[in-house]
Amino acid sequence: AQKITQTQPGMFVQEKEAVTLDCTYDTSDPSYGLFWYKQPSSGEMIFLIYQGSYDQQNATEGRYSLNFQKARKSANLVISASQLGDSAMYFCAMREAASGGSYIPTFGRGTSLIVHP
Amino acid sequence: SQTIHQWPATLVQPVGSPLSLECTVEGTSNPNLYWYRQAAGRGLQLLFYSVGIGQISSEVPQNLSASRPQDRQFILSSKKLLLSDSGFYLCAWSGTATGNTIYFGEGSWLTVV
Repeated sequence: AQKITQTQPGMFVQEKEAVTLDCTYDTSDPSYGLFWYKQPSSGEMIFLIYQGSYDQQNATEGRYSLNFQKARKSANLVISASQLGDSAMYFCAMREAASGGSYIPTFGRGTSLIVHP
Repeated sequence: SQTIHQWPATLVQPVGSPLSLECTVEGTSNPNLYWYRQAAGRGLQLLFYSVGIGQISSEVPQNLSASRPQDRQFILSSKKLLLSDSGFYLCAWSGTATGNTIYFGEGSWLTVV
């Protein structure tokens, strides 16, 4: 079964508007972390934001915020005041504990965001 | 500060030829290291991860292999490439210095012809 589900293959938003990218996850591990990454056309994966499972507050990093709803197992990314440079693929990821104390990160299939002028 | 580099950035290889992609992390010690592959328009598939020198775990059986000869060096290899090996390969690292956030290298585009 998929551990990270991103149901929106593509999203469009007008410049300066806010947009929400959906992510749901599945884990039985009480300690986990959730990440969002941005991948522009150049291919590099850029870390955006992190939310720990025990964090009480939603994470924020500049124009990015993570809407963490633990009971619903969702970790949606909100981008406020979209800019043309936000056009990219966005990946949600989760890390869980693996054997030996290491962490195995799992990625969703991604959402393509296009910002219109 | 910590940095991660991988090379080469792009390569075109004939079917049946060998492959070697190299990844190096600077500014930290004993990182967890990962190799991912991303097929065109797809998500990331974890290929290998390593928690220490000589310790390699394989997630997907295939004709690729990985080695970690030094603490901060991770190598992805193949003895004979297949057409299906084409894709974008990403090396990544994490550790206590990053709060277990995973950071990626620049990526390597491999085309097998």
